Amino acid sequence: GENVEQHPSTLSVQEGDSAVIKCTYSDSASNYFPWYKQELGKGPQLIIDIRSNVGEKKDQRIAVTLNKTAKHFSLHITETQPEDSAVYFCAALAGGTSYGKLTFGQGTILTVHP
Amino acid sequence: DGGITQSPKYLFRKEGQNVTLSCEQNLNHDAMYWYRQDPGQGLRLIYYSQIVNDFQKGDIAEGYSVSREKKESFPLTVTSAQKNPTAFYLCASSSLGLTDTQYFGPGTRLTVL
Repeated sequence: GENVEQHPSTLSVQEGDSAVIKCTYSDSASNYFPWYKQELGKGPQLIIDIRSNVGEKKDQRIAVTLNKTAKHFSLHITETQPEDSAVYFCAALAGGTSYGKLTFGQGTILTVHP
Repeated sequence: DGGITQSPKYLFRKEGQNVTLSCEQNLNHDAMYWYRQDPGQGLRLIYYSQIVNDFQKGDIAEGYSVSREKKESFPLTVTSAQKNPTAFYLCASSSLGLTDTQYFGPGTRLTVL
């Protein structure tokens, strides 16, 4: 089955700096890659996603890049703010017979210091 | 949380008891999912259902059971056979065939006493 590795496990930045979180996946049939933000005690919220036919996608301060050949994708947050502090999860959606099944990374705890 | 409700928010259970967690969605989504989250861990798939009256085991289905009698409801039962049930349980839904995006509910924290 699919395996998703996420790094780093913790990330600490100063307000205004950029933050980058990286994920690798194992199944070349995976074709959809969402990123979720989870605040303490709440359910994950989708913040951005990308499909395998696109190399990069941006939404204001957030961007995601995908390298299908290397099987890795990254989340980029620019001009970080204290409210960006949360746990971020990447995920990969399997294709084929496991259609609809998301496999998640272990999560990155992002702390933005004022 | 986009139209997905989970109840209760906190649940306490004695060892040896079965307990059922509720998940309801009003998004008209076909697919629904249950995940388990342990402290400092990612989400692990317990069960998922793509259509009414059909469901498949995920990666950690042992000790759990589900039903899908209605499109909007996907309850999860944590049985006494689940050896370590204390965790945060998350329900999600998606509209298969469109964006495949999964939207999550607020979660239920289950504690076994």
